Amino acid sequence: DQQVKQNSPSLSVQEGRISILNCDYTNSMFDYFLWYKKYPAEGPTFLISISSIKDKNEDGRFTVFLNKSAKHLSLHIVPSQPGDSAVYFCAATSWEYGSRLTFGEGTQLTVNP
Amino acid sequence: KAGVTQTPRYLIKTRGQQVTLSCSPISGHRSVSWYQQTPGQGLQFLFEYFSETQRNKGNFPGRFSGRQFSNSRSEMNVSTLELGDSALYLCASSFGQGNEKLFFGSGTQLSVL
Repeated sequence: DQQVKQNSPSLSVQEGRISILNCDYTNSMFDYFLWYKKYPAEGPTFLISISSIKDKNEDGRFTVFLNKSAKHLSLHIVPSQPGDSAVYFCAATSWEYGSRLTFGEGTQLTVNP
Repeated sequence: KAGVTQTPRYLIKTRGQQVTLSCSPISGHRSVSWYQQTPGQGLQFLFEYFSETQRNKGNFPGRFSGRQFSNSRSEMNVSTLELGDSALYLCASSFGQGNEKLFFGSGTQLSVL
């Protein structure tokens, strides 16, 4: 049972444009969501997170939106830069799960110069 | 502040052997989690240790085990290796308070021949 899903395996955008990465979840217990960026053969790097008590969180070029009724979240990157090219993972957890994160399958973002 | 350190970086083993991977968390972090990433898969949770006790366990066979020492360093062991165990094994640390970001190491790339 895939509780966190990223339905787009890949996304290609032009430099300077907006990148929108999507994530859906099914477990109603999840109340904290994170986005990580990953390069091959390296560990994921934390980007941004959001608690279920909020519907938006911004950090520089990165904004995460949470729609609890739809069990959907998205990561917006504006403007996109070639250095943003990587695999992006959505993850979810809850207080009851301690430090256990449930990850989506990832989306490969390619930003073309 | 030093990040999460994993050793070794690469390992090559043959079927039937056993392997031990090591993880040193960020100073002050008491929770260490282990994840497996295989080609085309997301990150799968193995287990989490907090204050030397296993607090959470994923859906992996008993061949996968771990432990945590009093200084929060952790080891993961895989016995009777199978070809399907070839993966990137990632360690993550955090304060262990729940609903917080995890900091990942660079991982150990294990190849089973």
